[in-house]
Amino acid sequence: SQTIHQWPATLVQPVGSPLSLECTVEGTSNPNLYWYRQAAGRGLQLLFYSVGIGQISSEVPQNLSASRPQDRQFILSSKKLLLSDSGFYLCAWLGTSGYNEQFFGPGTRLTVL
Amino acid sequence: AQTVTQSQPEMSVQEAETVTLSCTYDTSENNYYLFWYKQPPSRQMILVIRQEAYKQQNATENRFSVNFQKAAKSFSLKISDSQLGDTAMYFCAFMYFWDAGNMLTFGGGTRLMVKP
Repeated sequence: SQTIHQWPATLVQPVGSPLSLECTVEGTSNPNLYWYRQAAGRGLQLLFYSVGIGQISSEVPQNLSASRPQDRQFILSSKKLLLSDSGFYLCAWLGTSGYNEQFFGPGTRLTVL
Repeated sequence: AQTVTQSQPEMSVQEAETVTLSCTYDTSENNYYLFWYKQPPSRQMILVIRQEAYKQQNATENRFSVNFQKAAKSFSLKISDSQLGDTAMYFCAFMYFWDAGNMLTFGGGTRLMVKP
């Protein structure tokens, strides 16, 4: 069966520090992968998606970037965090059953101070 | 671009009762998918139910069912026999059928509280 992991679960970082969030998927190959951000009490905003290694599409211009160095690994990064980067970050993968369902990881809670 | 609107920020229901959550969307496309996701206090996003726009029959999953009104661009979720474990944020989401990236657009969510 397929599983999706996110690391770390929680993170507290000072303004201006770098960021690296990792997402890995097991049990499937070459999945579409997604990064979403959820502000407190709000819906999900799509940040990036990837349809394959090295292929990244950005939906929202900001100081965040994404990379896909391996088939089942998706990384969200920033060189300098802003206060507004605080939130809950969710990674998701597109199921391969043909039903176009996205399945989400457990998320990372980021607090920028 | 498509938009998804959930007009009920918060709702409550007594245990064992039925509750309906509303969702409307705006699109000029004819082929698309609609989803309801549940986010309990653990914040894990869980797929509840999905509907293909080309299917007239409303989807059902155990106690969860949808009322899909394509002409009205409405996609409501009905939860029957509500249980305490149904307490969560519920998000409606839209996906274009022909979208190469299979991206989801989410509504703002409805917070549902099931009371004992």
